[in-house]
Amino acid sequence: DVKVTQSSRYLVKRTGEKVFLECVQDMDHENMFWYRQDPGLGLRLIYFSYDVKMKEKGDIPEGYSVSREKKERFSLILESASTNQTSMYLCASKDGGKETQYFGPGTRLLVL
Amino acid sequence: QKEVEQNSGPLSVPEGAIASLNCTYSDRGSQSFFWYRQYSGKSPELIMFIYSNGDKEDGRFTAQLNKASQYVSLLIRDSQPSDSATYLCAVTRSGAGSYQLTFGKGTKLSVIP
Repeated sequence: DVKVTQSSRYLVKRTGEKVFLECVQDMDHENMFWYRQDPGLGLRLIYFSYDVKMKEKGDIPEGYSVSREKKERFSLILESASTNQTSMYLCASKDGGKETQYFGPGTRLLVL
Repeated sequence: QKEVEQNSGPLSVPEGAIASLNCTYSDRGSQSFFWYRQYSGKSPELIMFIYSNGDKEDGRFTAQLNKASQYVSLLIRDSQPSDSATYLCAVTRSGAGSYQLTFGKGTKLSVIP
């Protein structure tokens, strides 16, 4: 079974803090993704990585950056957290030769 | 930007009935189509995917695809209260981002015992 884990289920941070969200997958998947999910807006792609040290902007990259130093780990960084970044953050991964994405359990982030 | 449209619901069906969930998409180049189920407070989990026009069955679930009409549907037979969840339709993006998915906002299904 594919297993995608995220470092925290719930996180509370202050405005202006630098926030790190980590995602780890154990299936040797090439591709990894970060989404945020908000009521009424659905799932929106923030960034993705198609291989180690490679990254591409998604639909809403502003205010975020990512890091992928190892194949199994993909980190999302909020450089200076703002209240409008309060959201559910979901990581996903997939095999490079296939299209099905598998999701982690999500991190619910509250920025005060 | 390419879009995926779903009726937000809620869709209420009695236990044992057939639930029909619909999805339309705007990207004519989309090749693969996915249905995810998401329980409240949980992450999406894949139910099934379909690539070819027609029907694909997996247990109580049937996905239907009509590329000419840009329409995907999910039928759930013998609906159970445990099927109550939000169902997300997702399609692959054409072109360079073909391994990216565009998600609909989801349809909330409620199965009434």
